[in-house]
Amino acid sequence: DAGVTQSPTHLIKTRGQQVTLRCSPISGHKSVSWYQQVLGQGPQFIFQYYEKEERGRGNFPDRFSARQFPNYSSELNVNALLLGDSALYLCASSKGQGVGAEAFFGQGTRLTVV
Amino acid sequence: AQTVTQSQPEMSVQEAETVTLSCTYDTSENNYYLFWYKQPPSRQMILVIRQEAYKQQNATENRFSVNFQKAAKSFSLKISDSQLGDTAMYFCAFRGSAGGTSYGKLTFGQGTILTVHP
Repeated sequence: DAGVTQSPTHLIKTRGQQVTLRCSPISGHKSVSWYQQVLGQGPQFIFQYYEKEERGRGNFPDRFSARQFPNYSSELNVNALLLGDSALYLCASSKGQGVGAEAFFGQGTRLTVV
Repeated sequence: AQTVTQSQPEMSVQEAETVTLSCTYDTSENNYYLFWYKQPPSRQMILVIRQEAYKQQNATENRFSVNFQKAAKSFSLKISDSQLGDTAMYFCAFRGSAGGTSYGKLTFGQGTILTVHP
């Protein structure tokens, strides 16, 4: 079975632009989460979606938004990009939403804002 | 709010030896899980081991084991018989059962870079 797939792998954008990152979860997984990982640091939680509804949100500005589609894939949108948005964006999927549910991560999208 | 602290930015070990990575956390919750994730240079995070807070017995997965001290809020990872493929960044993570905006959230530590030398 395919793992969590993210696209694109790398992306370069200019300040002020908008970007959309995509994530396809493992087949059968209904939960998708997004994390931002700045170089040399641990990932920071952005959103969690389960059954197409937002269930959790981290401490990120409203420039960040996401959605989950009927096939459980997800998109993360970031508007009005800032230099500080440069990071690795990780998507994770889980079969359920229990506290101990294993999160399976994709390889991430490396976003560079210039 | 939960916090996870990894006080060792970098560690190194010789192949076949044993190494222990430290992690402490802070929470007021009673129902939670702790995780260790490995992130090799390929960037993909992989679950190494997890521990349920209610279980007193320390989790073990092959060469990987944890020392879970609930009262001290400590959760260290021991890697036995280290292999070159263990070279990676290791993250300790916490997930609680609180709802609201923290639903499903994994809180990660800063990470420890582990290098295994031949």
